[in-house]
Amino acid sequence: GQQVQQSPSSLVLQEGENAELQCNFSSTATQLQWFYQSPGGSLVSLLSNPSGTKHTGRLTSTTVTKERRSSLHISSSQTTDSGTYLCAIDRNYAQGLTFGLGTRVSVFP
Amino acid sequence: GGIITQTPKFLIGQEGQKLTLKCQQNFNHDTMYWYRQDSGKGLRLIYYSITENDLQKGDLSEGYDASREKKSSFSLTVTSAQKNEMAVFLCASRLGNYAEQFFGPGTRLTVL
Repeated sequence: GQQVQQSPSSLVLQEGENAELQCNFSSTATQLQWFYQSPGGSLVSLLSNPSGTKHTGRLTSTTVTKERRSSLHISSSQTTDSGTYLCAIDRNYAQGLTFGLGTRVSVFP
Repeated sequence: GGIITQTPKFLIGQEGQKLTLKCQQNFNHDTMYWYRQDSGKGLRLIYYSITENDLQKGDLSEGYDASREKKSSFSLTVTSAQKNEMAVFLCASRLGNYAEQFFGPGTRLTVL
């Protein structure tokens, strides 16, 4: 079945630093979403980006469909960015998303 | 906009007990999902439903039943709770195939 690999598994930043999170997947993705999860919290959809580049606030996602990879760039990190970032791709038809294990980001002042 | 609500937020049960988790959405979305999140294992799909009264099994359906009696609600039943089922259960919905998916706040299950 489809697999989603995220790297790095964890990342420590000083406030103001930039970060790049990677997502690689094993088969063509019709839909790709990046989510944020705070400790003990639910999933918040950040970006829906099956191909190309999309921006929202300080986040930029670039997906290269042919190469089966996506990245999420966080610019000027803030302590409130701390949490886990999950990449997920669509399964066949309506069968929901396949998730990676996430990148845990810790931002210190 | 819309919202997905899940009840209860915390659910404590005894081993062997039948337990029901509820999910409501007011997005008017067609498709709804139940996922389970275990530490270190990521999210896995339990059941999904593409319309009212439709039920489809996911990767982890054994030991669970689901019910979609209305478009806006989707329930999940743990048929016989086991200690290794302590996890967070997340409900999600979306408008159609390949559309953006939205999640509820989760129900944390503890089995004693």
